Amino acid sequence: DQQVKQNSPSLSVQEGRISILNCDYTNSMFDYFLWYKKYPAEGPTFLISISSIKDKNEDGRFTVFLNKSAKHLSLHIVPSQPGDSAVYFCAALPGLLLSARQLTFGSGTQLTVLP
Amino acid sequence: EAQVTQNPRYLITVTGKKLTVTCSQNMNHEYMSWYRQDPGLGLRQIYYSMNVEVTDKGDVPEGYKVSRKEKRNFPLILESPSPNQTSLYFCASSRGSGAPNEQFFGPGTRLTVL
Repeated sequence: DQQVKQNSPSLSVQEGRISILNCDYTNSMFDYFLWYKKYPAEGPTFLISISSIKDKNEDGRFTVFLNKSAKHLSLHIVPSQPGDSAVYFCAALPGLLLSARQLTFGSGTQLTVLP
Repeated sequence: EAQVTQNPRYLITVTGKKLTVTCSQNMNHEYMSWYRQDPGLGLRQIYYSMNVEVTDKGDVPEGYKVSRKEKRNFPLILESPSPNQTSLYFCASSRGSGAPNEQFFGPGTRLTVL
């Protein structure tokens, strides 16, 4: 059973509008969450993260929101640009030991930003 | 330029024919790992290495071997590939014990086992 779920395999958004990518998790031990972005023929790259002590983290056009009680996080991209078209992976880590060896990934959401 | 390289990028092989996918990083990172990406499943960790001669199983290690004889290299070995190992493979590296927000991923190796 997947502990990190991205239930939308794909999302299309018009350029300039907001993109909202969702992620749900089931393991209450998860304490740190990350979003990675992946372009075709490239490896994933880290985008933004959030610790469970926060409910929001912002970096430029990217904001991640965390709702611990609902075990839900979302990535907002405002405004969306065609260059944001990529696969976005949500990932989670348990506890305070922030090591990639304990990363659990979601299945990814393909975002397409239409010009 | 800081990078993780993988070779080959594409490989089609047949069941049972041993193969090795190489991975090399030029950032002097201690931590390296291998993932496979499959539709609907995301990335799953196969093996990881905390440093030279220190390797351990990830979530899906069956059918794979690794070695870490040098800090920069972390090859993935399939002794007897099977069709269920058809996948997209990524090598990654990061400093220390594996800072997840500083992982550098390679470009991927698409493997098809017939």
